Amino acid sequence: NAGVMQNPRHLVRRRGQEARLRCSPMKGHSHVYWYRQLPEEGLKFMVYLQKENIIDESGMPKERFSAEFPKEGPSILRIQQVVRGDSAAYFCASSPADRVAHEKLFFGSGTQLSVL
Amino acid sequence: AQKITQTQPGMFVQEKEAVTLDCTYDTSDPSYGLFWYKQPSSGEMIFLIYQGSYDQQNATEGRYSLNFQKARKSANLVISASQLGDSAMYFCAMRDLQGAQKLVFGQGTRLTINP
Repeated sequence: NAGVMQNPRHLVRRRGQEARLRCSPMKGHSHVYWYRQLPEEGLKFMVYLQKENIIDESGMPKERFSAEFPKEGPSILRIQQVVRGDSAAYFCASSPADRVAHEKLFFGSGTQLSVL
Repeated sequence: AQKITQTQPGMFVQEKEAVTLDCTYDTSDPSYGLFWYKQPSSGEMIFLIYQGSYDQQNATEGRYSLNFQKARKSANLVISASQLGDSAMYFCAMRDLQGAQKLVFGQGTRLTINP
């Protein structure tokens, strides 16, 4: 049973380019979360999605950032016109259930985005 | 609103000693879960232990135990007989139903085990 798969592991972009980060949840999981981690800081929540639905995007910047989790395929975090401040590790997590406080999140290995 | 506080930016411990990593939390939801994750230098997030707000006993997982003091809103992680491989960042996190199930993380504690 494969874990949460994120790719690419490392992504380098120049300022102004677009970054697309992919996340395939664990088999049987229909809930996906995206987190961002700056160096020496904790993970900051960005967005929570179910298949074809954005449930909570309270942590997403208002501009340039978007996320989707289509019926088929991985979840995508898209950052348009990247700036140096977008450089961070982006983690995806998945869980199987809704409204269950005790359900732990399984994390992927993260994508390290570097903006030159 | 949910909040997690880890007041120890760094800890240094001798190998084989026990270590306690502090975590306090704040929530108005009576039903919540508390989690600890380990992040080694390789970057992945490794789940260590979970404590539910209604659990009567403190959680234990091998060398990890959680000292849950509900009235004080604290959920400290205790690692017994520390090993060199325990050197990592440790994050306390909380999830409640009011928070739309998202996990809220503390700032983390960097633990260094000295030989």
